Amino acid sequence: NAGVTQTPKFRILKIGQSMTLQCAQDMNHNYMYWYRQDPGMGLKLIYYSVGAGITDKGEVPNGYNVSRSTTEDFPLRLELAAPSQTSVYFCASSYRPQSSTGELFFGEGSRLTVL
Amino acid sequence: GQQLNQSPQSMFIQEGEDVSMNCTSSSIFNTWLWYKQEPGEGPVLLIALYKAGELTSNGRLTAQFGITRKDSFLNISASIPSDVGIYFCAGSNYGGSQGNLIFGKGTKLSVKP
Repeated sequence: NAGVTQTPKFRILKIGQSMTLQCAQDMNHNYMYWYRQDPGMGLKLIYYSVGAGITDKGEVPNGYNVSRSTTEDFPLRLELAAPSQTSVYFCASSYRPQSSTGELFFGEGSRLTVL
Repeated sequence: GQQLNQSPQSMFIQEGEDVSMNCTSSSIFNTWLWYKQEPGEGPVLLIALYKAGELTSNGRLTAQFGITRKDSFLNISASIPSDVGIYFCAGSNYGGSQGNLIFGKGTKLSVKP
């Protein structure tokens, strides 16, 4: 089983450029999430989705957008990249709401550098 | 917002030693979880705790849900080199929004063979 797949694994952007981080899961999970991880800061929730067509903001949504047209895919878009968005981004999915069991399945991460 | 204080930030230990780390909060949680992140990978769930006072083991790992519901600890016995990684605690509450899983800042564990 592939689980949660993220692409690309690494990317360097110039300030002001746009890009989309892709995330796909093959576990038929309704719940999907995007986190960013900064050194020594743990994981911060950017956006989440409870099912196809439904998305909502997390703790740090500014500068990002998401869509959820299918159960499998949950892309994260950066419209105008800024140095503050340099981070490692993790996509995750769960069978139940994270607030009930807390069990998330994470992808391997996408390391983004904005110069 | 809610915050978790995880300590220590980092640990350098000798293979075979026992390890202890903990997580505290000013708020009550209904669920405490411990994740491990190996270099270049995403976090993986190690142990989930759902009841105050609960003590749960997973191999050499033991975790407890504090009786006050404001803390949790993780112990690793007889550490081995593959225990290297960052350990995150996380807390959540039922009935809230989907964003109610709060992560600690992590404990980075290094094991010297």
